[in-house]
Amino acid sequence: EVQLVQSGAEVKKPGESLKISCKGSGYSFTSYWIGWVRQMPGKGLEWMGIIYPGDSDTRYSPSFQGQVTISADKSISTAYLQWSSLKASDTAMYYCVRPRDYYFDYWGQGTLVTVSS
Amino acid sequence: QSALTQPPSVSGSPGQSVTISCTGTSSDVGSYNRVSWYQQPPGTAPKLMIYEVSNRPSGVPDRFSGSKSGNTASLTISGLQAEDEADYYCSLYTSSSIYVFGTGTKVTVL
Repeated sequence: EVQLVQSGAEVKKPGESLKISCKGSGYSFTSYWIGWVRQMPGKGLEWMGIIYPGDSDTRYSPSFQGQVTISADKSISTAYLQWSSLKASDTAMYYCVRPRDYYFDYWGQGTLVTVSS
Repeated sequence: QSALTQPPSVSGSPGQSVTISCTGTSSDVGSYNRVSWYQQPPGTAPKLMIYEVSNRPSGVPDRFSGSKSGNTASLTISGLQAEDEADYYCSLYTSSSIYVFGTGTKVTVL
């Protein structure tokens, strides 16, 4: 059974750094892209970017390029989403997704990030 | 690439049919069969309901169907049930190799 299991909720202050994770299981982690989707409170879904763990090829949405870093450690089948300096506007639910061709066939349970002073 | 346009809300009584539209342009929705649909009940993660315009993944009830005409894709829920109450999003994989979501539609079962 394919599963994407994300790390737990985080509460951070503006300016702090953060790295959240997503562990894939039940499939060959290095053979599929894996990525992230943001959902701000009460708002819609926004695609952030994806990475191919097999060779670390990474693609970002223009809206998120330079704002976050997506990485992966294939030795532990885990993808990451990282911020170097959080802002209050980063407060959102973040979902890990597995893209398959033109759609997302599996979703993680979500990680709530709250940034507040 | 702007978000695809969906109606903010649709509603129907149990047993009725509702249709949600997802409008793009001739360069995206109109040119490719790369539209998918996701269901997001309150407080839960989205779930894939339709891929490549009209294909249903295993386990999705056949009450859910997808289609496309010109620059508009549509999701139809036939025989509406209380458990179908959720937010629904369309998504498109564009020619620029990026994914774009629709604005989202809240389905209410009266």
